[in-house]
Amino acid sequence: DGGITQSPKYLFRKEGQNVTLSCEQNLNHDAMYWYRQDPGQGLRLIYYSQIVNDFQKGDIAEGYSVSREKKESFPLTVTSAQKNPTAFYLCASSGRYEQYFGPGTRLTVT
Amino acid sequence: SQQGEEDPQALSIQEGENATMNCSYKTSINNLQWYRQNSGRGLVHLILIRSNEREKHSGRLRVTLDTSKKSSSLLITASRAADTASYFCATDTLGAQKLVFGQGTRLTINP
Repeated sequence: DGGITQSPKYLFRKEGQNVTLSCEQNLNHDAMYWYRQDPGQGLRLIYYSQIVNDFQKGDIAEGYSVSREKKESFPLTVTSAQKNPTAFYLCASSGRYEQYFGPGTRLTVT
Repeated sequence: SQQGEEDPQALSIQEGENATMNCSYKTSINNLQWYRQNSGRGLVHLILIRSNEREKHSGRLRVTLDTSKKSSSLLITASRAADTASYFCATDTLGAQKLVFGQGTRLTINP
Protein backbone atom coordinates (compact mmCIF):
# COMPACT_ATOMS: atom_id res chain seq x y z
CA ASP A 1 0.00 0.00 0.00
CA GLY A 2 1.97 2.97 -1.26
CA GLY A 3 1.64 6.52 -0.04
CA ILE A 4 2.47 9.05 2.63
CA THR A 5 1.64 8.66 6.28
CA GLN A 6 1.54 11.35 8.91
CA SER A 7 1.12 10.74 12.57
CA PRO A 8 -0.62 11.50 14.75
CA LYS A 9 -3.81 12.89 13.18
CA TYR A 10 -4.45 15.16 16.18
CA LEU A 11 -1.82 16.52 18.54
CA PHE A 12 -2.23 18.66 21.62
CA ARG A 13 0.64 20.44 23.37
CA LYS A 14 1.18 23.06 26.02
CA GLU A 15 2.77 26.35 25.07
CA GLY A 16 6.55 26.30 25.42
CA GLN A 17 6.96 22.65 24.44
CA ASN A 18 8.65 21.45 21.29
CA VAL A 19 6.70 18.88 19.28
CA THR A 20 7.75 16.66 16.36
CA LEU A 21 5.39 15.68 13.55
CA SER A 22 6.11 12.50 11.65
CA CYS A 23 6.05 12.07 7.86
CA GLU A 24 6.95 8.82 6.09
CA GLN A 25 6.67 7.90 2.40
CA ASN A 26 7.23 4.66 0.49
CA LEU A 27 6.90 6.16 -2.99
CA ASN A 28 10.68 6.31 -3.47
CA HIS A 29 10.46 10.06 -4.03
CA ASP A 30 13.52 12.23 -3.58
CA ALA A 31 11.66 15.46 -2.78
CA MET A 32 9.59 16.05 0.35
CA TYR A 33 7.76 19.12 1.64
CA TRP A 34 6.10 20.52 4.75
CA TYR A 35 3.20 22.97 4.52
CA ARG A 36 1.13 24.84 7.03
CA GLN A 37 -2.57 25.54 6.42
CA ASP A 38 -4.64 27.92 8.52
CA PRO A 39 -8.48 27.86 8.45
CA GLY A 40 -9.88 28.91 5.09
CA GLN A 41 -6.42 29.57 3.70
CA GLY A 42 -4.07 28.10 1.16
CA LEU A 43 -0.85 26.21 1.83
CA ARG A 44 2.33 27.94 2.93
CA LEU A 45 5.68 26.20 2.50
CA ILE A 46 7.71 25.67 5.67
CA TYR A 47 10.66 23.54 4.54
CA TYR A 48 11.49 21.27 1.63
CA SER A 49 14.12 18.69 0.86
CA GLN A 50 15.20 17.53 -2.57
CA ILE A 51 17.63 14.87 -1.40
CA VAL A 52 18.76 13.09 1.74
CA ASN A 53 20.83 15.21 4.16
CA ASP A 54 19.82 18.44 2.44
CA PHE A 55 16.87 20.79 2.97
CA GLN A 56 15.90 24.40 2.27
CA LYS A 57 13.77 26.97 4.06
CA GLY A 58 10.42 27.81 2.59
CA ASP A 59 8.42 30.98 3.09
CA ILE A 60 7.65 30.56 6.80
CA ALA A 61 10.55 28.56 8.29
CA GLU A 62 10.98 30.61 11.48
CA GLY A 63 10.21 28.55 14.58
CA TYR A 64 10.42 25.23 12.73
CA SER A 65 13.21 22.71 12.12
CA VAL A 66 13.53 19.56 9.99
CA SER A 67 15.91 16.70 9.31
CA ARG A 68 16.28 14.35 6.35
CA GLU A 69 18.44 11.45 7.44
CA LYS A 70 16.54 8.86 5.38
CA LYS A 71 14.85 9.10 2.00
CA GLU A 72 11.58 7.82 3.47
CA SER A 73 11.34 10.21 6.42
CA PHE A 74 11.09 13.99 6.84
CA PRO A 75 10.08 14.90 10.41
CA LEU A 76 9.11 18.46 11.33
CA THR A 77 9.75 19.94 14.78
CA VAL A 78 7.60 22.84 15.87
CA THR A 79 9.69 24.68 18.43
CA SER A 80 8.63 26.95 21.26
CA ALA A 81 9.92 29.85 19.15
CA GLN A 82 6.98 29.48 16.75
CA LYS A 83 4.62 32.22 17.88
CA ASN A 84 1.38 30.79 16.56
CA PRO A 85 1.81 27.03 16.09
CA THR A 86 -1.84 25.96 16.11
CA ALA A 87 -2.57 24.90 12.53
CA PHE A 88 -3.07 21.99 10.13
CA TYR A 89 0.27 20.60 8.91
CA LEU A 90 0.58 18.76 5.61
CA CYS A 91 3.51 16.72 4.34
CA ALA A 92 4.00 15.92 0.66
CA SER A 93 6.45 14.18 -1.62
CA SER A 94 6.98 14.41 -5.34
CA GLY A 95 8.60 12.55 -8.15
CA ARG A 96 8.75 14.93 -11.06
CA TYR A 97 5.88 17.44 -10.98
CA GLU A 98 2.81 16.44 -9.04
CA GLN A 99 2.87 16.25 -5.27
CA TYR A 100 1.36 13.49 -3.17
CA PHE A 101 0.01 14.56 0.19
CA GLY A 102 -0.38 12.84 3.51
CA PRO A 103 -3.62 13.08 5.53
CA GLY A 104 -2.28 15.91 7.72
CA THR A 105 -1.73 16.52 11.43
CA ARG A 106 -3.87 19.03 13.29
CA LEU A 107 -1.75 20.61 16.02
CA THR A 108 -3.36 22.54 18.86
CA VAL A 109 -1.17 24.43 21.31
CA THR A 110 -2.75 25.92 24.41
CA SER B 1 4.56 34.23 -1.10
CA GLN B 2 1.23 33.49 -2.73
CA GLN B 3 1.56 33.36 -6.50
CA GLY B 4 -1.92 32.15 -7.37
CA GLU B 5 -5.16 33.88 -6.56
CA GLU B 6 -8.37 31.93 -6.98
CA ASP B 7 -11.71 33.43 -7.86
CA PRO B 8 -14.32 33.11 -6.52
CA GLN B 9 -13.34 32.33 -2.92
CA ALA B 10 -16.57 30.37 -2.52
CA LEU B 11 -19.05 28.93 -5.01
CA SER B 12 -22.36 27.21 -4.34
CA ILE B 13 -24.31 25.54 -7.16
CA GLN B 14 -26.97 22.89 -7.72
CA GLU B 15 -26.08 19.32 -8.54
CA GLY B 16 -25.85 18.82 -12.28
CA GLU B 17 -24.72 22.37 -13.02
CA ASN B 18 -21.22 23.24 -14.21
CA ALA B 19 -18.69 24.86 -11.86
CA THR B 20 -15.98 27.21 -13.06
CA MET B 21 -13.07 28.37 -10.94
CA ASN B 22 -10.35 30.79 -11.99
CA CYS B 23 -6.73 31.20 -11.00
CA SER B 24 -4.43 34.12 -11.70
CA TYR B 25 -0.69 34.19 -11.13
CA LYS B 26 2.06 36.77 -11.26
CA THR B 27 5.25 35.39 -12.78
CA SER B 28 6.09 33.14 -15.72
CA ILE B 29 5.45 29.49 -15.00
CA ASN B 30 6.64 26.07 -16.10
CA ASN B 31 3.45 24.18 -15.20
CA LEU B 32 0.15 24.87 -13.51
CA GLN B 33 -1.60 22.21 -11.47
CA TRP B 34 -5.01 21.90 -9.84
CA TYR B 35 -5.57 20.07 -6.56
CA ARG B 36 -8.65 19.15 -4.58
CA GLN B 37 -8.97 19.04 -0.79
CA ASN B 38 -11.85 17.49 1.08
CA SER B 39 -12.47 19.02 4.48
CA GLY B 40 -9.76 18.10 6.99
CA ARG B 41 -7.84 15.95 4.50
CA GLY B 42 -4.71 16.14 2.38
CA LEU B 43 -4.70 17.47 -1.16
CA VAL B 44 -5.22 15.26 -4.19
CA HIS B 45 -3.71 16.08 -7.57
CA LEU B 46 -6.31 16.54 -10.32
CA ILE B 47 -4.58 17.73 -13.46
CA LEU B 48 -1.40 19.39 -14.74
CA ILE B 49 -1.19 21.74 -17.71
CA ARG B 50 2.14 22.79 -19.18
CA SER B 51 2.95 26.36 -20.14
CA ASN B 52 2.87 25.48 -23.84
CA GLU B 53 -0.61 23.90 -23.61
CA ARG B 54 -3.88 25.82 -23.84
CA GLU B 55 -6.46 23.26 -22.83
CA LYS B 56 -6.55 19.86 -21.18
CA HIS B 57 -9.34 17.42 -20.33
CA SER B 58 -9.63 14.66 -17.76
CA GLY B 59 -13.04 13.05 -17.34
CA ARG B 60 -15.44 15.81 -16.23
CA LEU B 61 -12.57 18.26 -15.74
CA ARG B 62 -11.49 20.83 -18.30
CA VAL B 63 -8.55 23.14 -17.64
CA THR B 64 -7.54 26.11 -19.75
CA LEU B 65 -4.39 28.18 -19.55
CA ASP B 66 -3.82 31.66 -20.95
CA THR B 67 -0.19 32.59 -20.38
CA SER B 68 -0.67 36.06 -21.91
CA LYS B 69 -3.19 36.86 -19.17
CA LYS B 70 -1.41 34.72 -16.56
CA SER B 71 -4.63 32.91 -15.77
CA SER B 72 -6.17 29.45 -15.73
CA SER B 73 -9.65 28.10 -15.28
CA LEU B 74 -10.97 24.78 -14.01
CA LEU B 75 -14.38 23.65 -15.25
CA ILE B 76 -16.18 20.75 -13.60
CA THR B 77 -19.11 19.60 -15.73
CA ALA B 78 -22.28 17.89 -14.49
CA SER B 79 -21.36 18.47 -10.86
CA ARG B 80 -22.13 15.91 -8.16
CA ALA B 81 -22.52 16.26 -4.40
CA ALA B 82 -19.21 14.39 -4.04
CA ASP B 83 -17.43 17.26 -5.83
CA THR B 84 -17.93 19.41 -2.73
CA ALA B 85 -14.38 20.37 -1.70
CA SER B 86 -11.81 23.13 -1.88
CA TYR B 87 -9.88 23.49 -5.13
CA PHE B 88 -6.39 24.96 -5.33
CA CYS B 89 -4.20 25.97 -8.22
CA ALA B 90 -0.43 25.61 -7.84
CA THR B 91 2.34 26.93 -10.04
CA ASP B 92 5.99 26.13 -10.42
CA THR B 93 8.58 28.19 -12.22
CA LEU B 94 11.35 26.83 -14.38
CA GLY B 95 14.24 25.67 -12.21
CA ALA B 96 12.24 25.80 -8.99
CA GLN B 97 11.59 22.56 -7.15
CA LYS B 98 8.60 23.83 -5.24
CA LEU B 99 4.97 24.73 -5.86
CA VAL B 100 3.24 27.94 -4.87
CA PHE B 101 -0.42 27.45 -3.96
CA GLY B 102 -3.31 29.86 -4.25
CA GLN B 103 -5.85 30.52 -1.51
CA GLY B 104 -8.40 28.12 -2.97
CA THR B 105 -12.04 28.10 -4.03
CA ARG B 106 -14.50 26.43 -1.70
CA LEU B 107 -17.08 24.63 -3.85
CA THR B 108 -20.39 23.42 -2.46
CA ILE B 109 -22.70 21.26 -4.56
CA ASN B 110 -26.28 21.30 -3.29
CA PRO B 111 -28.35 18.15 -3.93
